[in-house]
Amino acid sequence: AQKVTQAQTEISVVEKEDVTLDCVYETRDTTYYLFWYKQPPSGELVFLIRRNSFDEQNEISGRYSWNFQKSTSSFNFTITASQVVDSAVYFCALSEAPSNTGKLIFGQGTTLQVKP
Amino acid sequence: GAGVSQTPSNKVTEKGKYVELRCDPISGHTALYWYRQSLGQGPEFLIYFQGTGAADDSGLPNDRFFAVRPEGSVSTLKIQRTERGDSAVYLCASSLFGTQEETQYFGPGTRLLVL
Repeated sequence: AQKVTQAQTEISVVEKEDVTLDCVYETRDTTYYLFWYKQPPSGELVFLIRRNSFDEQNEISGRYSWNFQKSTSSFNFTITASQVVDSAVYFCALSEAPSNTGKLIFGQGTTLQVKP
Repeated sequence: GAGVSQTPSNKVTEKGKYVELRCDPISGHTALYWYRQSLGQGPEFLIYFQGTGAADDSGLPNDRFFAVRPEGSVSTLKIQRTERGDSAVYLCASSLFGTQEETQYFGPGTRLLVL
């Protein structure tokens, strides 16, 4: 069965620290997509990144970077030089292939608190 | 253009009552999804529409839950005989074609509280 696990429930850091949010997934599919979303206090899920199972190249976008490793079924997210505005709940999600509906399976989320 | 909108933003009802939650997707998006997010949890899939038809309703918890999308745009999630356990945030998302590689864009959600 497909599953996404975010073992870190809450993380608290001081501004300017680097922080890594872990995501481990389970799937029997060879073709799948992984996503990260941010949910600020307002509640709306904001898309951050999408990665397909055939592309293991790491990606960097400003202070954000993602490390995808199929060997360990992980898709970790690092924020460099964290800022107070990064405080939010972050979700990792998996889109499975067989159904071809695009429905997402989400992890439990990691609450990140960045203190000034 | 406008994003996904949902109304109402908050809904308080009494146990046993009927409620309707509305979702207005991004214009031109054929795929529409409903998810439910309980406190401290990630969103859980409820139902997926491709156009007017429900292509996958495997996430609906029981027959008290029903959703429609009669004209392939706006969707309404309907909950009959509400129970306290239905209290959650109901999220709507849309994407252009509904394929697995596409990004889903989410609305702000409707916070439902059943007393």
